[in-house]
This record gives sequence, structure tokens and C-alpha cells, in this order.
Amino acid sequence: SQTIHQWPATLVQPVGSPLSLECTVEGTSNPNLYWYRQAAGRGLQLLFYSVGIGQISSEVPQNLSASRPQDRQFILSSKKLLLSDSGFYLCASQGQGTSSYNSPLHFGNGTRLTVT
Amino acid sequence: AQSVSQHNHHVILSEAASLELGCNYSYGGTVNLFWYVQYPGQHLQLLLKYFSGDPLVKGIKGFEAEFIKSKFSFNLRKPSVQWSDTAEYFCAVNLRNFGNEKLTFGTGTRLTIIP
Repeated sequence: SQTIHQWPATLVQPVGSPLSLECTVEGTSNPNLYWYRQAAGRGLQLLFYSVGIGQISSEVPQNLSASRPQDRQFILSSKKLLLSDSGFYLCASQGQGTSSYNSPLHFGNGTRLTVT
Repeated sequence: AQSVSQHNHHVILSEAASLELGCNYSYGGTVNLFWYVQYPGQHLQLLLKYFSGDPLVKGIKGFEAEFIKSKFSFNLRKPSVQWSDTAEYFCAVNLRNFGNEKLTFGTGTRLTIIP
């Protein structure tokens, strides 16, 4: 089965500083990868998804960007953090070539980001 | 726009009580429905799913959910909860034949079971 590794688990960064959150996947190849954010009192919001190396789709305009330099590596970045970037960030993976009704998402443990 | 509503933000129950967590969605077509659960200190994981067929679906750990199309609902139930059911529960909905990039989550319900 798939295992999703995310780090760091918690992060406190000042406004204007850069950000890099990393996610790696084990147990599958060519997965679809996703970055979600959960803000307080809100549901999981999809930020980015990727169906392959170098292929990134953005769901919402924001201060963040994503990259997929390797098949099982997904990175969430920002050049200058805003206070509104605070939240809980989750990386998820799904087997390539399967849609939601065939394969559930596998999630990492998340990163709690606090921008001060 | 598509939306998923979970009206219960925090539910507190005693052990052995019965549970029902509400989930309503607003979609214009045929849907797939999911409940995900996050136990304390663990990652989010699938609890159960509905794609088609019997609208009453069984999941892990004695949970079940019923799809009522006329009410646009997919409520989660368990006849007798245990302390270990303490977790956060998320309902999620997707349009049939679409990938997870179209999956919409509710805001979640935090369930606390008192021993």
C-alpha cells in the first residue's frame, strides 16, 4: 500500500519568508498527487494536482506554487509568505490511471504552518 | 457551484450512544460519495464510499452510510460508538466519472466520545 511522507510536521515562519514543503510517496509509481489546505472551520481545499513529472494544475489563484521534480516527489512553495497562508497542508496520492470511483486518496500526516 | 455541508461541527457522545453525522451536497449530476476519517495523530483515511447500487453502504469499524438521493444526503451512522471512534470525519462528493481533482470535501465534524 501507499505511504505518504510529509515534512516538516510543524512550521512557524515570518511574513515575507519563503516556504518549501516536501511530500514523497512510497508504494506506487506514476501517482496522481495533490496538495490540499485546511483552514480553521473550513473543508479541505484543493490547491494543486499533478498527473506526472512537471505537470501541475492549479485550482485556485494564490501565493503558492507547486513543482514535481520526480515521479514521487511533490513540493509546495512560496517566495513570500502571507498571514493568510497559515493552515494545515496535506499531500495526497492516488494510483495513476484511476479515477475517484476506483481508488481512494491516500493522505500524509500534514504540515501545520503558522505565519507570524 | 458544487458544495458539501456538514452542519455538525463538534459532536460529543457517551460510549454506546448511537451516532448520526449529517452530510448534504449540492450537485447537478450523478455523484460518488465518501466518508474519510482522521483519528488523532493519524493520517486521513477512507471510511466508506458509495458509487452505485444499494444506497446503504457498510464501512470499516461498524460504520454505515445511507445515500438518499431525494434529500441530497449521505449521513454517517453507527449504532453504538466506542471511545476509539473519537476522530474528525469528512464527507466528500465527486461527480461520477471525474477524477479526484473534482472531489469536494465538507468542513468536517469533530467527534468526541466520552468513556
